[in-house]
Amino acid sequence: AQSVSQHNHHVILSEAASLELGCNYSYGGTVNLFWYVQYPGQHLQLLLKYFSGDPLVKGIKGFEAEFIKSKFSFNLRKPSVQWSDTAEYFCAVNGGSQGNLIFGKGTKLSVKP
Amino acid sequence: EAGVVQSPRYKIIEKKQPVAFWCNPISGHNTLYWYLQNLGQGPELLIRYENEEAVDDSQLPKDRFSAERLKGVDSTLKIQPAELGDSAVYLCASSFDQNEQFFGPGTRLTVL
Repeated sequence: AQSVSQHNHHVILSEAASLELGCNYSYGGTVNLFWYVQYPGQHLQLLLKYFSGDPLVKGIKGFEAEFIKSKFSFNLRKPSVQWSDTAEYFCAVNGGSQGNLIFGKGTKLSVKP
Repeated sequence: EAGVVQSPRYKIIEKKQPVAFWCNPISGHNTLYWYLQNLGQGPELLIRYENEEAVDDSQLPKDRFSAERLKGVDSTLKIQPAELGDSAVYLCASSFDQNEQFFGPGTRLTVL
């Protein structure tokens, strides 16, 4: 069965610090990978996605993620975080012919101004 | 373009009562999903519809949960009777075929 692991439950950073959130998945076949963000009081929204091609994916608001197939990883990065990046971040994967997303437990990011 | 609409946003009921949630997907999206999100967890799929057909309901607790998507547009998720452990956020999402999923704001259910 597919699964997604997010290593950090809660990350606290100061503004301008660099961010890297870990995500590992278990699935032996071709996968599509996603990062979703949930800002306080708002619904889940797509940050970026990887289907194929360049393993370095750029998303909205300066976020990027790198797919490393050999490590089954899809880590999220941002060089300089802002207070407005305070949110919960979810990594998700779907594999095979199914459209079902398997989500990690999420990482809460708190950015101190 | 309107997003996925869900109602109600909040619901408080006593255990053993029935409850229903409604979802209106983005226009033109043929695939609709219901997810359950417990506190501190990521969303977990309950059921997936392609048009009006439930193509994956393997995670739906069928003894108390039911869902329908008449005419392949709106969908309703029902719990009868509700239990304390059903307190959670119920999310609806939609997509065109199996591409990017767009999520609604969710219904936060509290069972007392």
